[in-house]
Amino acid sequence: DTGVSQDPRHKITKRGQNVTFRCDPISEHNRLYWYRQTLGQGPEFLTYFQNEAQLEKSRLLSDRFSAERPKGSFSTLEIQRTEQGDSAMYLCASSQTGELFFGEGSRLTVL
Amino acid sequence: GQSLEQPSEVTAVEGAIVQINCTYQTSGFYGLSWYQQHDGGAPTFLSYNALDGLEETGRFSSFLSRSDSYGYLLLQELQMKDSASYFCAMNSGGYQKVTFGTGTKLQVIP
Repeated sequence: DTGVSQDPRHKITKRGQNVTFRCDPISEHNRLYWYRQTLGQGPEFLTYFQNEAQLEKSRLLSDRFSAERPKGSFSTLEIQRTEQGDSAMYLCASSQTGELFFGEGSRLTVL
Repeated sequence: GQSLEQPSEVTAVEGAIVQINCTYQTSGFYGLSWYQQHDGGAPTFLSYNALDGLEETGRFSSFLSRSDSYGYLLLQELQMKDSASYFCAMNSGGYQKVTFGTGTKLQVIP
């Protein structure tokens, strides 16, 4: 399968714990995006990368959120000191020409 | 800032035609995309308009008017499987940041 893959698919954690999600994009895609989606809402932009460079981070994101794409291939999204409001689906997408290809997402539940 | 507006819900009859409108505000506009998302699934790309006019892909067509900051998605010969959420999304900036609207939930009824 050469699509976008995300891991883990589901994560349940206690408030205050740190969590990390991984995204493996389609190999030839140079752009990688992270979004957060809650029920009934559209994907909310978090951040995106052109190769290894992080181009923009949403001003809505607190300092508890950080993302990396160290070699321009896979990316990680870390949430520190999780809060119940962080419960959501975290979507990763990659792109080469403007069309986004999404992974199946990582669902986070914070208890 | 950047924002997109679209109706929250639309209901249409199987076999009919439905139009989902989208208005946007942004700087550095590149183009307007449309995505479909079934419940429990990931968004999938439908179409992209960088220039004014109509783009047709099978039963789906998308229109853009840059001067009016407006676009729409047209779905023809509706099928029950078209019941899903539809999102318009702006591609903006030189590196193609993509910002999504809040989505339109389409229900197709027999």
